Amino acid sequence: KAGVTQTPRYLIKTRGQQVTLSCSPISGHRSVSWYQQTPGQGLQFLFEYFSETQRNKGNFPGRFSGRQFSNSRSEMNVSTLELGDSALYLCASAPISPNTGELFFGEGSRLTVL
Amino acid sequence: DAKTTQPNSMESNEEEPVHLPCNHSTISGTDYIHWYRQLPSQGPEYVIHGLTSNVNNRMASLAIAEDRKSSTLILHRATLRDAAVYYCILFNAGGTSYGKLTFGQGTILTVHP
Repeated sequence: KAGVTQTPRYLIKTRGQQVTLSCSPISGHRSVSWYQQTPGQGLQFLFEYFSETQRNKGNFPGRFSGRQFSNSRSEMNVSTLELGDSALYLCASAPISPNTGELFFGEGSRLTVL
Repeated sequence: DAKTTQPNSMESNEEEPVHLPCNHSTISGTDYIHWYRQLPSQGPEYVIHGLTSNVNNRMASLAIAEDRKSSTLILHRATLRDAAVYYCILFNAGGTSYGKLTFGQGTILTVHP
């Protein structure tokens, strides 16, 4: 069974640009969550989608957005990039009955903002 | 979110058991105790979770205190591949915490050959 796939794995952007990251969940999983990991703040929850609807949201500015498609694949977008957005962005998926706390994480997309 | 407290770091020798402690004195009745670990350059990996009773799986055992204010993750025979950051997390399955795990700083486990 394939795991959670995130693309791209690495990318470099400059301040002011925008970026889109993609996540393909495990087959059959309909819940997709996004996290940001930085050395200073650790792992922080961004948002969660289930059946194309955002059900939960963390404490991040509106520059961070996401969406989920009918096939459960998800994308997150960061607009007007700042240096502090440099981080590892992790996607996690969960099965149809998602509220167990058991999440399956991908390897992440490492974003560097110059 | 209820908070957990873990030691910053622990060390072990290969083939020996490892007991990773976690305190969660403000745990509520609907909070599950979860353990995740993160190996270098990888995303977090689910290890085990429990509510009240001790739990075992192929990776580890989880021992939960009777008052649920503390728990211990037990790796029965540490290997070099177990070197990782271990996170103890409380997850309220009864609320609207969809997909949200609150990670602390975790415990850095070093395994010596």
